[in-house]
Amino acid sequence: QVQLVESGGGVVQPGRSLRLSCAASGFTLSTYGMHWVRQTPGKGLEWVAVTWYDGTKEYYADSVKGRFTISGDNSKNTLYLQMNSLRAEDTALYYCGRGGTHVWLIEYWGQGTLVTVSS
Amino acid sequence: QSALTQPASVSGSPGQSITISCTGSSSDVGNYNYVSWYQQRPGKVPKLMIYDVTNRPSGISNRFSGSKSGNTASLTISGLQAEDEADYYCTSYTSSNTLVFGGGTKLTVL
Repeated sequence: QVQLVESGGGVVQPGRSLRLSCAASGFTLSTYGMHWVRQTPGKGLEWVAVTWYDGTKEYYADSVKGRFTISGDNSKNTLYLQMNSLRAEDTALYYCGRGGTHVWLIEYWGQGTLVTVSS
Repeated sequence: QSALTQPASVSGSPGQSITISCTGSSSDVGNYNYVSWYQQRPGKVPKLMIYDVTNRPSGISNRFSGSKSGNTASLTISGLQAEDEADYYCTSYTSSNTLVFGGGTKLTVL
């Protein structure tokens, strides 16, 4: 069955970097679009980024463009989110999600990894 | 990338039907059929309930249905049950090649 397991979250100071990982199993990463979505504790969901199944395209929310980079390693079946120049407002639970019948559908979600940006 | 507009809360009694609206613009909901709905119970991961406006994933009860008119998509839950109490989020593809979520609606089953 499809499983997504995020890791790499933690407490980081403003301006520093962090890399999140999402280990996928039950499917091949290279055949689906993959997303990152975040949720501020007690608040709503915010889409962060998507990468195409073949890695040829990636798109970002305006709030993270230029600071975050989404990528995948097909040999490890793992998705990444490199987060640079972190801000307090980036504090959230970060979920990775797998696309479905098309890239813009998030069909499966991981359990999330918590990122706290604080001095 | 303004969030889609959802009512903050809705409520209904067991057995009743409720509808949650999700209003966007011609840049998202109005011009694309890539609207999805997610259910999120407290402390849990979002669960896909409706995709591509009207489609139900395998295993989702037919009490859940989706529709769209103009710039507004809707999720209807019929025969309301206590287990339906949760937060519901809509999302849509946008002309900027992004996804945008609604602010979420808290459903209370009275």
